[in-house]
Parts: sequence; structure tokens; C-alpha cells
Amino acid sequence: GEDVEQSLFLSVREGDSSVINCTYTDSSSTYLYWYKQEPGAGLQLLTYIFSNMDMKQDQRLTVLLNKKDKHLSLRIADTQTGDSAIYFCAENPNTGGFKTIFGAGTRLFVKA
Amino acid sequence: NAGVTQTPKFQVLKTGQSMTLQCAQDMNHEYMSWYRQDPGMGLRLIHYSVGAGITDQGEVPNGYNVSRSTTEDFPLRLLSAAPSQTSVYFCASSSAGNTIYFGEGSWLTVV
Repeated sequence: GEDVEQSLFLSVREGDSSVINCTYTDSSSTYLYWYKQEPGAGLQLLTYIFSNMDMKQDQRLTVLLNKKDKHLSLRIADTQTGDSAIYFCAENPNTGGFKTIFGAGTRLFVKA
Repeated sequence: NAGVTQTPKFQVLKTGQSMTLQCAQDMNHEYMSWYRQDPGMGLRLIHYSVGAGITDQGEVPNGYNVSRSTTEDFPLRLLSAAPSQTSVYFCASSSAGNTIYFGEGSWLTVV
């Protein structure tokens, strides 16, 4: 079945780059997402990438997709304390229906 | 913009009680869903709907009912609450399976 895996924790110093990694199983996924969840709040879409792309950059965010290895990463440049949150990787398998699969979330700690 | 609105934000239930989590969206999205979030397990799909009058089970549907009488509303019913249903619940909506918009979450404790 479909599965999305990511490490649970990441700690970085303020100003450094953060790289959050994710692996997924469904090679037919058309969309891959990164969501951000701040404490006590819902998930907000951070960025997404189509499966026919290798890279997407949006200001401080860079998404890299390796379809061969089914590996997705999110790089946050110049990480700030406001970036502290849980980051969820998600895939939307091409099942013909509505079903987005989420990873367990990576909790990013930013040390001042 | 209201987006996805879910209520209540916090609720404490006794084992065996029933309750309904409300969810409404004002974006005319055809897809709506309910997820539960538990530590270390990410989001798990409970039920989803692809349009008014159409619902289907997700990954963890047991103990929950849903209905979709209108495009806007998608309530989640707990029939007989159990401590295992202590969780954070998120309602979400999207159009044509694209970007999902989430509500703010409902924190439910069953004692």
C-alpha cells in the first residue's frame, strides 16, 4: 500500500539551512506536498511539486524530487525561529479518487 | 475568507457519549474529508466525500459516521466515544484532489 516516511525530529541553528527528507512508495503520485503545522493550528500548504518536475524553488524554500528513488526533500534556507513547526510530506496517489497520504511529520526545532 | 471552519475546538467526552464535530467550507469544494492526528502517526484519513450525497471510508473509519447532505457541510459523528478516539481531528476540503485546505482542528479527549 501507499506509505510516506519521514524522520520525526530535526534540530538546526538559526541562520543555517534545514533539510527535511521524505520517502514515498506510490510511483504514480501526481502531486507531492509539503505542509506546515504550527502549534495549535491546522496544516497549511507550504509548497508542492508536480511529479514531472525535479526541483521547485520558492524564496527560501527549495523542493527536490528524485522520482527514481521516490525521495522528496524540503530545504529551508536561512532558517528562522519562526520556522519552528511540524512539516508534513504528503503524496496524492493517482488512484482516481481523493486520497492524500501524509507522513508522520518532522518536528523542526530552531535554536537561537 | 472563512475557508474551512470546524467546531468545537475543544471537547471532553465521557466514554460512551456521542457527539458531532461540525465542518463547513465556503469554497465550493467538492472534496471534503476528516483526518485524525495522533503523535508519531501523522494524519490518518477517517472518511471522505467526493460530493454531496457521496461518502466513503478512509483508513480508520470504525466508530465514526459521516454524511454529506450539502456541498458545504461534512459533519463527523462519534457514535459511542472511546478513549482510543482521543485525538486531534482535522476537517479538510479540496477541489479535484488538488491542494487540501485544513480547518484549525478539534481537540477531543475521551475519559
